[in-house]
Parts: sequence; structure tokens; C-alpha cells
Amino acid sequence: QVQLQESGPGLVKPSQTLSLTCTVSGGSISSGGHYWSWIRQHPGKGLEWIGYIHYSGTSKYNPSLKGRVSISVDTSKNQLSLKLTSVTAADTAVYYCAREGVRSFPDAFDIWGQGTMVTVSS
Amino acid sequence: DIQMTQSPSTLSASVGDRVTITCRASQSISSFLAWYQQKAGKAPKLLIYLASSLEDGVPSRFSGSGSGTQFTLTISSLQPDDFATYYCQQYNSFPFTFGQGTKLEIK
Repeated sequence: QVQLQESGPGLVKPSQTLSLTCTVSGGSISSGGHYWSWIRQHPGKGLEWIGYIHYSGTSKYNPSLKGRVSISVDTSKNQLSLKLTSVTAADTAVYYCAREGVRSFPDAFDIWGQGTMVTVSS
Repeated sequence: DIQMTQSPSTLSASVGDRVTITCRASQSISSFLAWYQQKAGKAPKLLIYLASSLEDGVPSRFSGSGSGTQFTLTISSLQPDDFATYYCQQYNSFPFTFGQGTKLEIK
């Protein structure tokens, strides 16, 4: 059974770069044709899709993040990573990684990590 | 961006009730609509994909319907484990967007 686990600093200072990693276990990040997304949830609020990546390197981002986001994949470590630059308090959120299914293209998010809380504060 | 609007925002119901949550898209999304259940402190869990297909392992009391811009999630007979927040999500076009959520509370 594929499982996802997010990791990274829980506290980031304003104007710095938020960096998170999602480790995939129980399966290969490069098999099955899946796309891998980052999604965040502001405290007490709804869900916001940040972007996705395919193991081939194809990626797509939410324009709302105005070019501050970068997602990469390391197939040798079975990981995907998120970098968000110039963070402000508005980036405080729980960050999830999630796998997109392959029953259609695109597909819904069928597997999620448990999420990691990131607070932006000095 | 496609706006997803759920109603109601909060729903109070009792065990055994039949409940329906509605999700409206600001433009047609065909059937590229998913429903998720989220409990406090947990990640969302996929219930329904392609508007009406039940995810493996999800109880059959959950069902989805609709296409185009209007969608519904129905729980035929509420169980204690169903009290949670429900989100719809469109994946017809980028950026993927979610509804604001419907909190299902115990009456």
C-alpha cells in the first residue's frame, strides 16, 4: 500500500524559503503514470492546490502563488519536494502531498500524506 | 479559475438521516468532480471520483451525482463516523479548485 509522508521545518521566518519533502513508500514514484501534488490548508480554512509534478519532470503550478513555487522530484530517493520563496504569514498552513490517480486524466487525489504544519513567524 | 460553491456550509443532522450536499461550479467541468471527507486533524479522504464513482472501500451509503455545473453528494443513512467536513473538488481544468467545505454536525 502506497503511503506518503511529509517532512520539513515547522517554523520558517518571513521572507525566507519554505522547503518540504514528501517521501513515497510502498511503491515507486516513477511507476504508474501518477502525478504528485502539493496542497495546503490554511488554519480553519479550505484546501488550495499548489501544484504537481510527474516523475518525468513535467510540472504545473497554481498562478495564485505568483511564481514563488517550485516542485521537484528525486526518483532515486522516491521523494518529491516543495520550495516556496519569500514566505509571509499568509503561507502559514498545513501542507499535504497527494497522489493523483490514473483512472482518468486528470484524476482525483486518491492517496494523501498526513500533512505537516508550517508556521511563518519571526 | 473555476469557483466551486458548496451548500450548505453547515448541516445539522441525526444518525439515520439522509443528507444531501450540493456543489456548484462556476463553469462546466463535465464529470471531473471529486468528493472528500475530512475529520479534524486528518488528511482528506477520497469518497467519490468522476462525480459518481465510489472509491474502493467507501461504504455504499455514499453516492454522488451530477454533471456540468451541478453536483450532489448524498449519504443515505448517516452513521456516527460520518460527522465530518466534506469538500468537493474540480479537476477539469487548472488550477484544480476546491469548494469551501460543508461541516456535517450532530443535531
